[in-house]
Amino acid sequence: DIVMTQSPDSLAVSLGERATINCKSSQSLLYSSNNKNHLAWYQQKAGQPPKLLIYWASTRESGVPDRFSGSGSGTDFTLTISSLQAEDVAVYYCQQYYITPYTFGQGTKLEIK
Amino acid sequence: QVQLQQSGPGLVKPSQTLSLTCAISGDSVSSNSAAWTWIRQSPSRGLEWLGRTYYRSKWYRDYAVSVKSRITINPDTSNNQFSLQLNSVTPEDTAVYYCARVSAAAGVFDYWGQGALVTVSS
Repeated sequence: DIVMTQSPDSLAVSLGERATINCKSSQSLLYSSNNKNHLAWYQQKAGQPPKLLIYWASTRESGVPDRFSGSGSGTDFTLTISSLQAEDVAVYYCQQYYITPYTFGQGTKLEIK
Repeated sequence: QVQLQQSGPGLVKPSQTLSLTCAISGDSVSSNSAAWTWIRQSPSRGLEWLGRTYYRSKWYRDYAVSVKSRITINPDTSNNQFSLQLNSVTPEDTAVYYCARVSAAAGVFDYWGQGALVTVSS
């Protein structure tokens, strides 16, 4: 199975500041046939299911604010929130869909400083 | 707009069978492009993909190795829903269970059910 490791486990950022979450996979998620990274990011607020934010490592899902961006390739990926808003408090997960079993990172808890 | 509505008991006794259903609106379980999946979440195991079913001229199913001997995911075309059965449960199967759609465009989970806490206890 592909192991997904996120860092840090928790993060406290001031409102309006940048938040950066990292995700590392145990093998490359770059699929040669389509030259795309099979990596997604989700946001989970308390008591809710995860919500898809980003797929193909950097494509925002429809309706996701543009302060959310994804980057990276191969085995190293980053989710950036450019200007933290109060409603961004949540746990964030990366997920690989390169191969089944689909696997998730352990999550990064984002709080307001 | 796709909506997934989960139903099923919240308490299951050890060694018995966990059964959940996910009713689909706004899409078809027989879609030739999407897939339908079950995921669970617990403090000890995090988010864990359990398996999926999908239709591509015939029905396919594949499951996580960790539960492969105990799990069945079945489509129900008459009611446009799909189900999860997990046999021989133990307290380690206690979790919030989610159904989700696997996007046609990319293998990501773009729509989720509301989640159901299932507790395994006598």
